Amino acid sequence: AQRVTQPEKLLSVFKGAPVELKCNYSYSGSPELFWYVQYSRQRLQLLLRHISRESIKGFTADLNKGETSFHLKKPFAQEEDSAMYYCALRSSGGSNYKLTFGKGTLLTVNP
Amino acid sequence: GAGVSQSPSNKVTEKGKDVELRCDPISGHTALYWYRQSLGQGLEFLIYFQGNSAPDKSGLPSDRFSAERTGGSVSTLTIQRTQQEDSAVYLCASSTPALLDGRGTEAFFGQGTRLTVV
Repeated sequence: AQRVTQPEKLLSVFKGAPVELKCNYSYSGSPELFWYVQYSRQRLQLLLRHISRESIKGFTADLNKGETSFHLKKPFAQEEDSAMYYCALRSSGGSNYKLTFGKGTLLTVNP
Repeated sequence: GAGVSQSPSNKVTEKGKDVELRCDPISGHTALYWYRQSLGQGLEFLIYFQGNSAPDKSGLPSDRFSAERTGGSVSTLTIQRTQQEDSAVYLCASSTPALLDGRGTEAFFGQGTRLTVV
């Protein structure tokens, strides 16, 4: 079974402060990890994926297989980063690519 | 191009009635997912369709919930004898098949259907 855990429901930081949204996963195979974001009154959309090793809007995330984590980080938070963030895992291999999400973390960046 | 489209945007129904929620995925996307989004529960997986394979129904919460996908395109999620706890936003997403090397592709989400059972 695959599981994604986001331990923080709410996270509040001040503008310019570093931010880290935690994500841990449980999966027996080789997973693919993603971060999705939902801004107020907008659709859920992909922020970044571990395979691409990219930085999007200043956010990065590193897959740590030893700790089974995929934490999302940004060194200097901006007010426009306020949103709901979901960590997601997709199983790979075979023919079932079910996408499982965590419960989400609501990030609020205060001025 | 057009994204994932869901209808209706909002649905208010009386307890005990049946409802149908529709999802039009992006053309050519063979993978289609349904999720339920509610406060405190995050995104709850319901069902996943992949091409002609048997759907993964492991997330459906009860036998009152069912979904079908006709012609590999449009999908309908049906909730029979609705209950107040079914009130939530129902999200649909679609994606292309995994790449040949097994890597996944981005899932695109619809705007959701907000279901309220009164």
